[in-house]
Amino acid sequence: DAMVIQNPRYQVTQFGKPVTLSCSQTLNHNVMYWYQQKSSQAPKLLFHYYDKDFNNEADTPDNFQSRRPNTSFCFLDIRSPGLGDAAMYLCATSRGGEEETQYFGPGTRLLVL
Amino acid sequence: QKEVEQDPGPLSVPEGAIVSLNCTYSNSAFQYFMWYRQYSRKGPELLMYTYSSGNKEDGRFTAQVDKSSKYISLFIRDSQPSDSATYLCAMKGDSWGKLQFGAGTQVVVTP
Repeated sequence: DAMVIQNPRYQVTQFGKPVTLSCSQTLNHNVMYWYQQKSSQAPKLLFHYYDKDFNNEADTPDNFQSRRPNTSFCFLDIRSPGLGDAAMYLCATSRGGEEETQYFGPGTRLLVL
Repeated sequence: QKEVEQDPGPLSVPEGAIVSLNCTYSNSAFQYFMWYRQYSRKGPELLMYTYSSGNKEDGRFTAQVDKSSKYISLFIRDSQPSDSATYLCAMKGDSWGKLQFGAGTQVVVTP
């Protein structure tokens, strides 16, 4: 089945220790998104790629970076995680055309100790 | 004021009842409206997608959009315990715009 896959599902890191979260998709979608979702809050868009074009949200901290080496994969790098970065990180994809329907992966829950 | 407002709940209903969810919004440019279901510790799953005003039905789910009132609704008929989840509304203005999400309403369907 075509899908959005995120690894790992749970990640524990230490304060200040870099961490990388992974997303892959078999949908062959042009656009890949990274969201941060804290408990009982709406998902907050961090950035997205349209093909290789990177689009950063104005309020995304510099601590968050992303890479998209090919169509299928996208990575979220948190350079120096703080306690406030503990959250669910959601990857989503879309075709990017008129029908802007986003399909989400299962998420990675990040815990910062 | 947030662009999209959604009552966080929890909304508790007995099995078989109709679940009624809604969102209000402030941006009159929104014309694409979505409802996502999110189970605990999982990613959101698209339930309904509506363009502009009107109703859309899919099985037990009905989505309504009233652009004049800036109000959207989701109804779940014959609710089941498996419908217990958080329901997020989302919307945007044009095909390239960023999705604006509500914070989600937690629904609990009791057997």
